[in-house]
Amino acid sequence: GEDVEQSLFLSVREGDSSVINCTYTDSSSTYLYWYKQEPGAGLQLLTYIFSNMDMKQDQRLTVLLNKKDKHLSLRIADTQTGDSAIYFCAESNPSGTYKYIFGTGTRLKVLA
Amino acid sequence: GAVVSQHPSRVICKSGTSVKIECRSLDFQATTMFWYRQFPKQSLMLMATSNEGSKATYEQGVEKDKFLINHASLTLSTLTVTSAHPEDSSFYICSAGAGTGFYEQYFGPGTRLTVT
Repeated sequence: GEDVEQSLFLSVREGDSSVINCTYTDSSSTYLYWYKQEPGAGLQLLTYIFSNMDMKQDQRLTVLLNKKDKHLSLRIADTQTGDSAIYFCAESNPSGTYKYIFGTGTRLKVLA
Repeated sequence: GAVVSQHPSRVICKSGTSVKIECRSLDFQATTMFWYRQFPKQSLMLMATSNEGSKATYEQGVEKDKFLINHASLTLSTLTVTSAHPEDSSFYICSAGAGTGFYEQYFGPGTRLTVT
């Protein structure tokens, strides 16, 4: 079945760059997403990338997609303490049932 | 962006009672709504997909008689946890998709259910 994996924890110092990685198994994935979840809250869409793209940049966020290796990454430049949260990648295939398959989540801790 | 609300945000109920959680799309019509469950420090697990006016499609392992889903209108879906037990305690999140061919789900803020 479909599977989306992420490393569980990442700790960085304020001002450094953070890189959160995600691997997926469904080669038919059309859209891939990055969501942020703060404690006790819902999910906030950070960015998404279409499967025919290799890279997408949006202010401090850079998404890289290696479709051959089924690897997705999110780079956060100049990481701030407010970036501390859990980050989920997700994949979907709109030609199917529009379901999202979420990754296991990466807890990012930013040290002042 | 599109806004999805959930009500209540937090509920505590006694074992054996039923609890209803509402999910509303405030500024768009949601043809499809999704219900997720999230255990502490874990990922979101899709429970079911509901389309307006039709029966929900449940994921494998999710009891449809336990978790009743009603998508009565294009702006409202409800999840009722029947005969709740402590193991049903969890964070329940809904999301909504707009129109056909949508690629983004809009997530509600979640409902924390505690069954005592």
